[in-house]
Parts: sequence; structure tokens; C-alpha cells
Amino acid sequence: EADIYQTPRYLVIGTGKKITLECSQTMGHDKMYWYQQDPGMELHLIHYSYGVNSTEKGDLSSESTVSRIRTEHFPLTLESARPSHTSQYLCASSEWGKGVGTDTQYFGPGTRLTVL
Amino acid sequence: DQQVKQNSPSLSVQEGRISILNCDYTNSMFDYFLWYKKYPAEGPTFLISISSIKDKNEDGRFTVFLNKSAKHLSLHIVPSQPGDSAVYFCAATSGGGADGLTFGKGTHLIIQP
Repeated sequence: EADIYQTPRYLVIGTGKKITLECSQTMGHDKMYWYQQDPGMELHLIHYSYGVNSTEKGDLSSESTVSRIRTEHFPLTLESARPSHTSQYLCASSEWGKGVGTDTQYFGPGTRLTVL
Repeated sequence: DQQVKQNSPSLSVQEGRISILNCDYTNSMFDYFLWYKKYPAEGPTFLISISSIKDKNEDGRFTVFLNKSAKHLSLHIVPSQPGDSAVYFCAATSGGGADGLTFGKGTHLIIQP
């Protein structure tokens, strides 16, 4: 059972507000990821991290930014939210690089963001 | 261009029967494949995976088959239960997952009583 947490679960906010979506995992995993998913569509990777002080952009361009100051914590920030940012944001983690099967990513419950 | 394709948006199966979900991929560099189950407004739950060095992996009611020459994998659920109703995502990665997972668009499985 994976222990990865996201808060808030739901967020409704007005245009122009700054928001931070929290993600924490207690498994000691090195790699963490952020995905974005619109209804009926595939998940798209927007950010990932190999470990502390490492952040990389994913396949899908995103105006959000991330930081990785502690192994267990990988927050995502939007400086100025817009209606086009309305989506579900999913955080995941994996061990990675320690053998077959460690590529498996475990997901948090997600944050459903609505920007009015 | 989609590298992982799930061509059936939905599938309806009677309770107790076998559910077969299909997935095709185009990137020959993929070497690890996963299936996830997802309920609305929740995160995906890992179900089962398979490495490219195998052609079958089984875990309880779930079996994944990989046909590398056809670039095709399938998930079999036997017997299907009402709690299996959800969206199932096929995902793939390469090089130890360095670039994250590439997902298909999902198949909505509906188990009918």
C-alpha cells in the first residue's frame, strides 16, 4: 500500500490567485512526479524530480513550478491561476533505478482544481 | 502522436465473465508496462505490471499478456466483479522510468449484474 498524500482534494479559486498544491510521501522514494489529467483524457507528465534539489519539466508544457527541498515533499505552485488551469492534478512517486519493478509509480488521490 | 493507444473507450461485461482490455504501443524502446485502475476524482491505483523480458504476468484475478512483436498488451480479469467497474489505464516507460510514464486514454469498464 502506497502512502502518498495530496492536499487539498478540491479547490475552487478565482482568476489571478496564487495557489500551491501539496504532495507528500512517506515511502522514502527518490523520484516524484506531477501529472495533469482532463476528463476522458490520458494523464500527462508536467514535472518530475530525481531527488532533493532536482526538478525537470515533463512532456506537457505547464505554467506551474515545482520545488524539492525535502525528499518527502514535492509541492506545485501556480503564481496566477487562470480558467485554463482547471484540471485534475495527480502526484506520484517511485523508487526508480533499483531494479525491475521499481519503476512502478504510486499515485496520490489527486487535487481537482477549478479556476473561475 | 499517441505512443500508447487504448482504442476502446468503453467495455461492458457481465459479472462472472472475463474482461479483456487491450493496449497498443508504438515506441519500441518501452520496456516496462503497467495497468492502473481509476475511479472518478481519485488517483490511479496500480494493478499489475510486466517487463519486456516476459510475456505473461499473473496476480490473482488479473493477468497481463505482452506480445512484443505486435506491440500489444492486454489485461484479463477473471471473473469480473461489480467492484471492477472503473477506468483502466495502460502505461509504459523505458530506460528505468527516467521520463515518467506514458499513458493511454483509458477504457471505461462496466460490469453488469
